[in-house]
Amino acid sequence: DAGITQSPRYKITETGRQVTLMCHQTWSHSYMFWYRQDLGHGLRLIYYSAAADITDKGEVPDGYVVSRSKTENFPLTLESATRSQTSVYFCASRKDRALPSYEQYFGPGTRLTVT
Amino acid sequence: EDQVTQSPEALRLQEGESSSLNCSYTVSGLRGLFWYRQDPGKGPEFLFTLYSAGEEKEKERLKATLTKKESFLHITAPKPEDSATYLCAVQAGLETSGSRLTFGEGTQLTVNP
Repeated sequence: DAGITQSPRYKITETGRQVTLMCHQTWSHSYMFWYRQDLGHGLRLIYYSAAADITDKGEVPDGYVVSRSKTENFPLTLESATRSQTSVYFCASRKDRALPSYEQYFGPGTRLTVT
Repeated sequence: EDQVTQSPEALRLQEGESSSLNCSYTVSGLRGLFWYRQDPGKGPEFLFTLYSAGEEKEKERLKATLTKKESFLHITAPKPEDSATYLCAVQAGLETSGSRLTFGEGTQLTVNP
C-alpha cells in the first residue's frame, strides 16, 4: 500500500523559474491538500481540492497554481519561484467528506530551495 | 480566526519520566482536534482524533484528552523512540470550508536514555 508519494523529494531551483511538485495517492481519497512548513509558522494550507476539477485557495495561495484532472494526482506549480517560497512542501489527503473521520494523511514532503 | 497554541515549544525528559503536552485552541464550532507525530525529514504521522469534550484516546504510551478549550497529550514512561515533534491541529466551521486544518507550531520532545 503506497499511500501518498511526492516527487521530487529535494529540489533546488533559481529565482524566476517554474517548478512543479508532484503528489500521487493510491487510496482514491476525495480530498487532497498542499501545505508548506516553515520555522515560526508551522504548517500552512496553500490549496486544496475536494474532487477532480474542484480546487480552492487556502491560507497562502499567492504564487502557486494547482490542478486536479485525476483523483489520484494533485500537482503544485510555482509559476515564477521566489526565495520566499523556499520551504518544505507536504501533500495530504482525506477520505470522502460523507464519512465521520476527518483526519488527513501526509506524504513524505518535498524540500524546495530557491536560490 | 481559528488559533492553535502549543506548549511548551520544547521538552526534554529522561526515559521513564512522564509528562504532558498542551494544545490550546480557539475555534468557531470544533469538528475535530488532531494529534500528529513528526520525525525529522518526514511528513506528519496521524495519531488521534478527538471530537468532543471529555473524549480520550490511547495508543501505547500516549493518551490524548480534550476539554472545551484545550487538549493534552500525556506521555507515560516515555522511551527515546518517542522523541519527535508533536503537532496539534483543529478542524472547525462548516464542511464547505474544505476540511481545512489549522496547525499549532508543535512541541519538540526529546527523551534521553
